[in-house]
Amino acid sequence: DTAVSQTPKYLVTQMGNDKSIKCEQNLGHDTMYWYKQDSKKFLKIMFSYNNKELIINETVPNRFSPKSPDKAHLNLHINSLELGDSAVYFCASSQDLGLANTQYFGPGTRLTVL
Amino acid sequence: AQSVTQLGSHVSVSEGALVLLRCNYSSSVPPYLFWYVQYPNQGLQLLLKYTSAATLVKGINGFEAEFKKSETSFHLTKPSAHMSDAAEYFCAVSDAGGTSYGKLTFGQGTILTVHP
Repeated sequence: DTAVSQTPKYLVTQMGNDKSIKCEQNLGHDTMYWYKQDSKKFLKIMFSYNNKELIINETVPNRFSPKSPDKAHLNLHINSLELGDSAVYFCASSQDLGLANTQYFGPGTRLTVL
Repeated sequence: AQSVTQLGSHVSVSEGALVLLRCNYSSSVPPYLFWYVQYPNQGLQLLLKYTSAATLVKGINGFEAEFKKSETSFHLTKPSAHMSDAAEYFCAVSDAGGTSYGKLTFGQGTILTVHP
């Protein structure tokens, strides 16, 4: 029973393509996040949603569009992929927006743009 | 804005030796602090967190960390390293105020290597 799952695990694609990454959590949490981990392993938040409402949009290019159809899902769609988008993308969830809450991470999606 | 600095991108210890991973933070308000561990090709897992209760926090797998406000530090320790502790460790801060809305700011990570 995976708490936070992501699909696909690996994604290899050409520049200019559009791709989506899906995330689902079965923890009953209200809040979900997307993080990007670059080649130097630096982790940076991209977005957060609370009960399907966008809360944080951390100056991410508008080629990235998150969508939350319900509070258990937060998908990430990327248009016109660029080489610099190559990274590992992690989805996470927490009970709510409480600042002391633990965030539970998915296994990551390794995106390679050729 | 809050920030986290982890001193030492690589730490190498022998099995059975003390593990010390350093983390210093910068925050305008009392912070909430976290240590996460990432094993190869996996997501992050919480080791422990400081939420303004006890300054010495015990976590999983024998790890603990001490919050020192005067030093703005939250160093992670383990008395005796085990081979299975080899991983990358991330310190993170979540501001206890403002409009952070649960945002975690991570340090750059420290890779721990354990030698037999």
